[in-house]
Amino acid sequence: SAVISQKPSRDICQRGTSLTIQCQVDSQVTMMFWYRQQPGQSLTLIATANQGSEATYESGFVIDKFPISRPNLTFSTLTVSNMSPEDSSIYLCSVEPGGSGANVLTFGAGSRLTVL
Amino acid sequence: GDSVTQMEGPVTLSEEAFLTINCTYTATGYPSLFWYVQYPGEGLQLLLKATKADDKGSNKGFEATYRKETTSFHLEKGSVQVSDSAVYFCALSGNEKLTFGTGTRLTIIP
Repeated sequence: SAVISQKPSRDICQRGTSLTIQCQVDSQVTMMFWYRQQPGQSLTLIATANQGSEATYESGFVIDKFPISRPNLTFSTLTVSNMSPEDSSIYLCSVEPGGSGANVLTFGAGSRLTVL
Repeated sequence: GDSVTQMEGPVTLSEEAFLTINCTYTATGYPSLFWYVQYPGEGLQLLLKATKADDKGSNKGFEATYRKETTSFHLEKGSVQVSDSAVYFCALSGNEKLTFGTGTRLTIIP
């Protein structure tokens, strides 16, 4: 299965700033997914990122707040813009490795953001 | 819409105890069901899955049976080990998306 490296693993940020999270996969994948896990809640899909096209955002998430880049088949970034304390969450990158079956995802270890 | 309700934690058990983590779901159609596990410091990984009613998924001594009549997918293990300490997530796939439960933190004490 794919191995995913996510950076940073954690950060403490000031209100109003932006932070970019990087996701590197050790193999080429078509789709990459970004999830958010708020304290005590389940994982929520933010967007799906395909290489060469704009990301598809889920209801409640917008590109201005969570811009995503997908420059090639092994890398993606998620930026959390103009952060507020409500953005304090764990952000997770995931992929669906080829041959693993539909909806069988591999996840990165996550990036824990705390916004003061 | 689709939803997953998971047994709230945290759950603490002694080594070799029997484990059950309850999971029920609401979905249209016939979703596939999954258990994911997150060990400390690692990403979520698939533990087991079942794609149709009465299927039993199993891995590492864990089992879960897809029960359509009770819309459940409870996770069980007969004898837990310290190394099973992790957070367990129940999930279903519908409309090409995964919907997760809130996770159950399991701690096994020697």
